[in-house]
Amino acid sequence: QKEVEQNSGPLSVPEGAIASLNCTYSDRGSQSFFWYRQYSGKSPELIMFIYSNGDKEDGRFTAQLNKASQYVSLLIRDSQPSDSATYLCAAPTNAGGTSYGKLTFGQGTILTVHP
Amino acid sequence: EAQVTQNPRYLITVTGKKLTVTCSQNMNHEYMSWYRQDPGLGLRQIYYSMNVEVTDKGDVPEGYKVSRKEKRNFPLILESPSPNQTSLYFCASSFNGKNIQYFGAGTRLSVL
Repeated sequence: QKEVEQNSGPLSVPEGAIASLNCTYSDRGSQSFFWYRQYSGKSPELIMFIYSNGDKEDGRFTAQLNKASQYVSLLIRDSQPSDSATYLCAAPTNAGGTSYGKLTFGQGTILTVHP
Repeated sequence: EAQVTQNPRYLITVTGKKLTVTCSQNMNHEYMSWYRQDPGLGLRQIYYSMNVEVTDKGDVPEGYKVSRKEKRNFPLILESPSPNQTSLYFCASSFNGKNIQYFGAGTRLSVL
């Protein structure tokens, strides 16, 4: 099992719909989780991070964390064509308890929002 | 402007010819990392550094070297590049203990 795994996609949703992106992780010691967005040919950029169980909302984006089930998800409400990108989930793993610097990414989910 | 700068952005080289990709950040971050990105495999961490003179292996360190002699710089060295190191490389830096990574623009390397 990969340390951080995402539903492979690709995911296609109509404009205005909710896009749901999921990620599971294997290291129970991971304390923080990150969602990055990467447009084609560009570098990843952070859109959300979450440390605590439950939901965290930022505009149209909601991150959800369930440590007992070891999954983290990202919901994008009112999806726009400009949201079309690859979404990467990331978590610190096997870092000897420090969670400094060693970060494992999922393989990414390609999201397409069509008008 | 806060940024992570990588150079060069594009590089074509031949097998066995040593090369260095530079990375510099102006945010006074303690932590810096190198990743490679390949289709279907996502971003994989090569090496990371927690501070000056402190480095550690990521998930795919074979064939790479790094050094951290100054806080702002974290070069990636390929002593003897091989075609399987053809990839898109990203440098990133992060705050102390936060792990929010700020990425450079990327270096596309082709080893012939």
